[in-house]
Amino acid sequence: AQSVSQHNHHVILSEAASLELGCNYSYGGTVNLFWYVQYPGQHLQLLLKYFSGDPLVKGIKGFEAEFIKSKFSFNLRKPSVQWSDTAEYFCAVFRNSGYALNFGKGTSLLVTP
Amino acid sequence: DTGVSQNPRHKITKRGQNVTFRCDPISEHNRLYWYRQTLGQGPEFLTYFQNEAQLEKSRLLSDRFSAERPKGSFSTLEIQRTEQGDSAMYLCASSLGGKQGRSKGYTFGSGTRLTVV
Repeated sequence: AQSVSQHNHHVILSEAASLELGCNYSYGGTVNLFWYVQYPGQHLQLLLKYFSGDPLVKGIKGFEAEFIKSKFSFNLRKPSVQWSDTAEYFCAVFRNSGYALNFGKGTSLLVTP
Repeated sequence: DTGVSQNPRHKITKRGQNVTFRCDPISEHNRLYWYRQTLGQGPEFLTYFQNEAQLEKSRLLSDRFSAERPKGSFSTLEIQRTEQGDSAMYLCASSLGGKQGRSKGYTFGSGTRLTVV
């Protein structure tokens, strides 16, 4: 069973539209949460991460994500997308009891001019 | 320059042949991970090394797959008797250990794309 779920597989937005990508996980216990981005032809890059403290975390390029523990969610947001945000976005969860990051299937975002 | 180097970038091989990929992690990172990514999927964990010790292997890693990290630096992933289903992007990542490692996340390489024909 998929332990990290990303609800939207393909998203198409116009420039300046707001973005929210959903991510839910099914692990119990303490987790660390990440969003990675993969631009066309490039390697995976870290966008932002949550470890503890303020559940609203800010990352690079104007992205932010909110950890809602009661909902096991870590949704990614950006108020106004740009064409250069076209990429694949992956949510990932690290369980303190495990060794490796577990990724969702990803969301492909296309931003049209 | 990502800091994690993978070679080759692309590999086309005939079914039944053996292939070997190499990963050079960031030099101060003692943890190294191999992942596989197919179209429309997120990266799937294959195996993990801490220094030269292979500490975890996924069920995805069949007997045809073997990974080594002989001196705790670079790592190789070998696939024997390749099958068409092995076609994928093979990703390597590295990190520091402990809390510091987790807090900084992984650094990924650009991957090796394997096509089995």
